Amino acid sequence: DAGVIQSPRHEVTEMGQEVTLRCKPISGHDYLFWYRQTMMRGLELLIYFNNNVPIDDSGMPEDRFSAKMPNASFSTLKIQPSEPRDSAVYFCASSSSSGQTRYGYTFGSGTRLTVV
Amino acid sequence: DAKTTQPPSMDCAEGRAANLPCNHSTISGNEYVYWYRQIHSQGPQYIIHGLKNNETNEMASLIITEDRKSSTLILPHATLRDTAVYYCIVRGTGTASKLTFGTGTRLQVTL
Repeated sequence: DAGVIQSPRHEVTEMGQEVTLRCKPISGHDYLFWYRQTMMRGLELLIYFNNNVPIDDSGMPEDRFSAKMPNASFSTLKIQPSEPRDSAVYFCASSSSSGQTRYGYTFGSGTRLTVV
Repeated sequence: DAKTTQPPSMDCAEGRAANLPCNHSTISGNEYVYWYRQIHSQGPQYIIHGLKNNETNEMASLIITEDRKSSTLILPHATLRDTAVYYCIVRGTGTASKLTFGTGTRLQVTL
């Protein structure tokens, strides 16, 4: 298995522009998580899905952020409009409810977002 | 989920055992102790987890005290590639229980 795949690896955009981050979870995993990591705040859970349905979005910072999971193999995190304070590394992770207590989460390599 | 306390940083000589402590005094009976690590610029990586018995896998050993209020992650023969931030996380068994990361311990393995 190729693991959790995120794209792009790096994104530089101008303030006010729309940014879309993409994630392909491990096949067969029914949970998908979006995290954000900054020096100041560490790793924060933004939102997670179960069977493509958003379960908890309490970590989404504001209405400028939205996430979707149209099918079991794809999820997006969109920021519109982007601001410099959104600069961070965004990680996607997936897990399986059947093996969750055994293997935990598998994380992708992350997308480093810079908003100038 | 219960809160954990870890030292901010530790050093270890290459080839020696690295013992990383974690306090979780408010852990409840059905909560597991998980350990993850994050090597620079990579996503966090699962290491090991346990409930009350000691656990061992190919990466590490996990020692949980009898009262379950603290645990120790042991890397038996640390290498330079083990330099990373190590996170101790307490998490419930329900599938809706989230993985919440603290600040972790930055382990520096040196020659």
